[in-house]
Amino acid sequence: GENVEQHPSTLSVQEGDSAVIKCTYSDSASNYFPWYKQELGKGPQLIIDIRSNVGEKKDQRIAVTLNKTAKHFSLHITETQPEDSAVYFCAASFPGRRALTFGSGTRLQVQP
Amino acid sequence: DADVTQTPRNRITKTGKRIMLECSQTKGHDRMYWYRQDPGLGLRLIYYSFDVKDINKGEISDGYSVSRQAQAKFSLSLESAIPNQTALYFCATSTGTRYGYTFGSGTRLTVV
Repeated sequence: GENVEQHPSTLSVQEGDSAVIKCTYSDSASNYFPWYKQELGKGPQLIIDIRSNVGEKKDQRIAVTLNKTAKHFSLHITETQPEDSAVYFCAASFPGRRALTFGSGTRLQVQP
Repeated sequence: DADVTQTPRNRITKTGKRIMLECSQTKGHDRMYWYRQDPGLGLRLIYYSFDVKDINKGEISDGYSVSRQAQAKFSLSLESAIPNQTALYFCATSTGTRYGYTFGSGTRLTVV
């Protein structure tokens, strides 16, 4: 069935370092890949997304890259700050499914 | 006011009790979703609705039911709560599968 695998499950970095979270998906026809950030006690919030006709998208310190051949996409956070500490979820839209499928989440901790 | 409001924020209930979680939105979105979050499992789809007359089961609908009372309101019910339904529940809205979701702040449900 359609699924999204996300790695790593936890990630600890020093403030100022970069963080990378990777997701793989099962259906090559998938066409939309959003990333969500969930802070403690809050609901997930969309931070960046990419569609299948684009290979990379940037928004200040965050970027998402998509490799359709390998069926994976990654979130890159540069110059990490303590406020980047949160749980991050990737998701994918599969043709024929009417809702997003989410990865299992990555807990990012940025050490001051 | 929040775009997507969930009530209650926290609830403790006993095994066998019926409980309803409510969601209302001011986004004007037609599509509404209920997801369940468990540690290490990400967000799993319980039910979704594309309009008042369109209700669909997700991947883990057993033990749950929903009601779409209006475009802006989508309620989730546990007819007879059991301890393994202890989880964080999120309502979300969107304008389409290839667009980001807006999530509520979640309901933390504990079944004892």
